[in-house]
Amino acid sequence: EDQVTQSPEALRLQEGESSSLNCSYTVSGLRGLFWYRQDPGKGPEFLFTLYSAGEEKEKERLKATLTKKESFLHITAPKPEDSATYLCAVQAGRLISGSRLTFGEGTQLTVNP
Amino acid sequence: DTAVSQTPKYLVTQMGNDKSIKCEQNLGHDTMYWYKQDSKKFLKIMFSYNNKELIINETVPNRFSPKSPDKAHLNLHINSLELGDSAVYFCASSQDRGPSDTQYFGPGTRLTVL
Repeated sequence: EDQVTQSPEALRLQEGESSSLNCSYTVSGLRGLFWYRQDPGKGPEFLFTLYSAGEEKEKERLKATLTKKESFLHITAPKPEDSATYLCAVQAGRLISGSRLTFGEGTQLTVNP
Repeated sequence: DTAVSQTPKYLVTQMGNDKSIKCEQNLGHDTMYWYKQDSKKFLKIMFSYNNKELIINETVPNRFSPKSPDKAHLNLHINSLELGDSAVYFCASSQDRGPSDTQYFGPGTRLTVL
């Protein structure tokens, strides 16, 4: 069974204080690892997809990396508007229509001004 | 120009009632999903449909019945609501191309069963 574990559960940072969120996964045949951002009362918002170990993607202050066992979401010089819950999810197995995402429980990030 | 929309946003009802949640996507995607997010914010797949055909049916009570009238719509009907059904329900859609398919989520429907 696919498993995704995110750490820490919650993270408080001062504005400008860089840090990383971790997503460890156990899957049979990774097809993609996804990062989403979720604001309170809203649906998950897509950030990145990573497909293979060594891949990196960047968007503004966020950078996602992938190894064979985990992914990191690096946040450089965060701002208060980066406060949200960050969700990691994996898609595994052979390519079939409607494949499920298996989510971790998320990291709640708070950036104080 | 909302990509994935759901109605209603909030739903408060009594135990034993039957209710429906509607979802529509205007992205032209072939596949739609229902996820449940519990009080601990954990998102779990319930169903997926591809071109109106049921693909995934997780271990969900048969009180939950999805219906897809066309590939842009996926509704969720729940019979005999129970307290444990209280959660936020998210609809999502994806286009099945490439090595994996990115799923785009709606704003969610918060269901409260009293």
